Parts: sequence; C-alpha cells; structure tokens
Amino acid sequence: RKEVEQDPGPFNVPEGATVAFNCTYSNSASQSFFWYRQDCRKEPKLLMSVYSSGNEDGRFTAQLNRASQYISLLIRDSKLSDSATYLCVVSLNYGGSQGNLIFGKGTKLSVKP
Amino acid sequence: DGGITQSPKYLFRKEGQNVTLSCEQNLNHDAMYWYRQDPGQGLRLIYYSQIVNDFQKGDIAEGYSVSREKKESFPLTVTSAQKNPTAFYLCASIPQRGGTEAFFGQGTRLTVV
Repeated sequence: RKEVEQDPGPFNVPEGATVAFNCTYSNSASQSFFWYRQDCRKEPKLLMSVYSSGNEDGRFTAQLNRASQYISLLIRDSKLSDSATYLCVVSLNYGGSQGNLIFGKGTKLSVKP
Repeated sequence: DGGITQSPKYLFRKEGQNVTLSCEQNLNHDAMYWYRQDPGQGLRLIYYSQIVNDFQKGDIAEGYSVSREKKESFPLTVTSAQKNPTAFYLCASIPQRGGTEAFFGQGTRLTVV
C-alpha cells in the first residue's frame, strides 16, 4: 500500500460546482497534514494545513480523520482559477524512508466555463 | 525576505555532461529535499538531508549526487550516469525534523540537448 494515496483524477467540473478530493495515509506516525496546489510548470504552494477539528478558508474546507487515516479537501463554488493539481502531503514526526515529507501523486482539477 | 532559491531556472545539458543545480535557503531550516517531476507525474524523491554533512538516498537516487556542507545549501549534481535527466527539479526545506509545512524553490527545468 502506498504511503499517501489520492484520487487518480482528473476531475473535470463546470464553474460553480463543488468538488471533493480524498487522501489516505498509511503511516500512523504522521503528525501534520497539508494540501498543496501546483500550477502547471510551477512549484507546489501551500493551500492549507489540515487539523483534526477541520478548518475552512473561504471556499475551501479541509478535514482530517486520524482514526481512519483520511484527509479531505472540499472546494465550493469552483472557479476557473481553481484549475490546478492538488497534492496531499503528510509530515512524519521522525525521519522515515522518505525523510519527513510524504507526497501523494496529486489530483488534477480542470474547471470549465 | 527569507526564502528558498533555486538556480538556474532553466538549464541545458549536453549528453555526457555533469551539471549542478543550486538550492539555497536562508530560513534556518534543518531538512532539505530534492525531487524530480516528469510531465503529468507526481514528485519523486531523489535525496534528502536532515542535518549538515549527512544525507540519505530517496527512491530515485541513481545518477545523482548531493552534498550538505552548510545548513543553507544543498546542491544536486546530475551526473552522466543519469540516463534520462530531462525533468523539472524541485528543492524543498522544512524547519525541523517534522510536523511543519514544506517550502519550495521555484524549480529548475533541465533539458538534455
């Protein structure tokens, strides 16, 4: 089982749609969780951290379920500018086989007019 | 302003040449990482370092070498042994052994000509 798994995508949605991304992780030593956004040919940029209590930033809501080792990202009222690849990232509290950072392969989102 | 800087942004290499990609950070971060990204693919870990003068191989270390003589610097050499080096290379750093977000450089796009 891969350490961090994401929906394979791509997701093609119309403007205004609600879209949900899911991510599961296998290492119970995982300490922190993040969603990054990566635009084509650019570096990943932090979208939001994910907390057990859930957190919201405008149209974006992230949730963490430690018991199920599951992370989600919900985008409401999607915009054309939301088109990007969304990466699920897990940070361990000690160095594992990949150091401390484990990346999912990303899910590509295309928002159409 | 603190940040992580990669240079050059674009690099062209002739077959059989070694090239070195620079990654410098002034964030006082302990851990630094090198990733390779191919078109439409996720990030693959090449090498990482959690402390000065120490580094570990990632999933695809063959044909690459690194050094960590200073906390601020983690250069990556792409050697002639790397058979398919054309890719987007990303450097990242985190401030401690785990639990916090990663900061990325803007990437170096390497092309073999």
